[in-house]
Amino acid sequence: GAGVSQSPSNKVTEKGKDVELRCDPISGHTALYWYRQSLGQGLEFLIYFQGNSAPDKSGLPSDRFSAERTGGSVSTLTIQRTQQEDSAVYLCASSAKTGGRSNQPQHFGDGTRLSIL
Amino acid sequence: AQRVTQPEKLLSVFKGAPVELKCNYSYSGSPELFWYVQYSRQRLQLLLRHISRESIKGFTADLNKGETSFHLKKPFAQEEDSAMYYCALSGSEGAQKLVFGQGTRLTINP
Repeated sequence: GAGVSQSPSNKVTEKGKDVELRCDPISGHTALYWYRQSLGQGLEFLIYFQGNSAPDKSGLPSDRFSAERTGGSVSTLTIQRTQQEDSAVYLCASSAKTGGRSNQPQHFGDGTRLSIL
Repeated sequence: AQRVTQPEKLLSVFKGAPVELKCNYSYSGSPELFWYVQYSRQRLQLLLRHISRESIKGFTADLNKGETSFHLKKPFAQEEDSAMYYCALSGSEGAQKLVFGQGTRLTINP
């Protein structure tokens, strides 16, 4: 595809349910990032994957949040026992392998708008 | 700690006027600075990065390490510049997470 693809685009669920959000990065991009965009909090980093290295999970807000990346491509962000404060737009981004000291730009998807009732 | 501050949540200027979106940062090492833009109903996209030292859509931004700033400037604003602008930083070694400011909503009045 031409860009980062995320699904679903919108998700409404009841408090306490589990949700899975999917991200398809740009083909060949080795780095994949998840961010959360919520009112009053701006854009917050959640987790990132770089090749076969252990993911950086330092931004996950609680142990209800987890993510995996299968085969170095598609990633799934899972939120268990959702709470109302989890309502936000979840953004995925990917970037190419860095060949030097500078970071390659991150390319963002359209996001998944998650609403917890 | 890594932090990015955009002091203006909202900024409104008239078409043709100069515009400056402020960004200050704190970072213990050598950061890379970026400006991202989100136009209405579009995805977040990179506008420019300090290492490129280029002008995109008439915008420029200079990294001032002494003042720890990376302000975004354009001499003559256009209506199509109306958007949400985010300043962001990352470490400079390899692929790293972005730390974003709170964003500034820029409105260009006709």
